[in-house]
Amino acid sequence: QKEVEQDPGPLSVPEGAIVSLNCTYSNSAFQYFMWYRQYSRKGPELLMYTYSSGNKEDGRFTAQVDKSSKYISLFIRDSQPSDSATYLCAPLPPNAGNNRKLIWGLGTSLAVNP
Amino acid sequence: GAVVSQHPSRVICKSGTSVKIECRSLDFQATTMFWYRQFPKQSLMLMATSNEGSKATYEQGVEKDKFLINHASLTLSTLTVTSAHPEDSSFYICSARDPPGIRNEQFFGPGTRLTVL
Repeated sequence: QKEVEQDPGPLSVPEGAIVSLNCTYSNSAFQYFMWYRQYSRKGPELLMYTYSSGNKEDGRFTAQVDKSSKYISLFIRDSQPSDSATYLCAPLPPNAGNNRKLIWGLGTSLAVNP
Repeated sequence: GAVVSQHPSRVICKSGTSVKIECRSLDFQATTMFWYRQFPKQSLMLMATSNEGSKATYEQGVEKDKFLINHASLTLSTLTVTSAHPEDSSFYICSARDPPGIRNEQFFGPGTRLTVL
């Protein structure tokens, strides 16, 4: 089993739709969960991250972690064409030190159609 | 957020030549930098982790003699692809992590697209 599973899509939605992007992970020790957005031919940019279980909201984006089911979600409200990108979930292992390596999902390709 | 730059953004070279890619953290000191490679429609693959002033730690299957990494200062790391071949053509992305106790976030450069003819 891969450490992080993410449906690559593509996911196509109309403008204004609520988008749900999801990941599952296998290591119950993960505590930080990052969501990155990557536009075509660009480096990823950190959207938001959550620690342990719970929700975190930032504007139109809400990140949700359910550690009991090892399930991570990112919701985008009122989706815009500019949200069209690949969204990558990346848990951060809990081992100490600055060399901690992000564990990357495959990324979900999202297209928001005007 | 913090800014990480990469240079060049795109390079085309002949097979057998060496290519150097620079990664700079512009407004923070990065004790740790990471180098990734990404093929089309695939996720990021970590190649190596470099700490300022010490040798890089390479991931399994990555040839350290082919992908030379130097992290000589807290704001600069370089990746040199030696004797490049067409199969080395890829999108190379660096990231930098700010020191522990600050934000401990990882910021990515814009990537370098390498095409080896």
